[in-house]
Amino acid sequence: AQTVTQSQPEMSVQEAETVTLSCTYDTSESNYYLFWYKQPPSRQMILVIRQEAYKQQNATENRFSVNFQKAAKSFSLKISDSQLGDTAMYFCAFMKHVQGNKLVFGAGTILRVKS
Amino acid sequence: NAGVMQNPRHLVRRRGQEARLRCSPMKGHSHVYWYRQLPEEGLKFMVYLQKENIIDESGMPKERFSAEFPKEGPSILRIQQVVRGDSAAYFCASSPPGAESYEQYFGPGTRLTVT
Repeated sequence: AQTVTQSQPEMSVQEAETVTLSCTYDTSESNYYLFWYKQPPSRQMILVIRQEAYKQQNATENRFSVNFQKAAKSFSLKISDSQLGDTAMYFCAFMKHVQGNKLVFGAGTILRVKS
Repeated sequence: NAGVMQNPRHLVRRRGQEARLRCSPMKGHSHVYWYRQLPEEGLKFMVYLQKENIIDESGMPKERFSAEFPKEGPSILRIQQVVRGDSAAYFCASSPPGAESYEQYFGPGTRLTVT
């Protein structure tokens, strides 16, 4: 079974600075997807970024980028130029590369952006 | 294109009553997933359905919980004889068929409170 570990329960960052959230996972699969989801106080789950395991290039979406280390099974999220609206719970998630499959989530990291 | 819709958003039940949670997937989506989020925890997979079929129910409790996705109408998650431990946020997600089925779109969730 796959497991996802987020070792940082809480993080804080000053507005406009950069912060990195950690995620490691365990799997015997060779092909899979990794995701970061954001859950603001509204509790809506919002997809932040996605990485396909077969792609060596790290995914980037505006201020959000990942550092994907397949051999180390590590998938960290970097948020640049942090904004107050980035304050949320962030979940790392894993999915096997199978049509229609479940997401396996980590426990989450609460990120607080301070002004 | 409307997003994934869930209703009700909030549901209060007394112990022993039944809870019915509804999910309407995005237009054109044929895969539906249910996840549960207990307080202060990450989301946990419960069940994956396609029209009229349960594909994976490995995360469903063995008793009192059932799910369906009929040919017509929304997907229903049904909890019989609710107990206080069922209090949680229940999220539905949907994905399209085919190659993009890895992309799951979440509804706003239903918060169930059992008194």
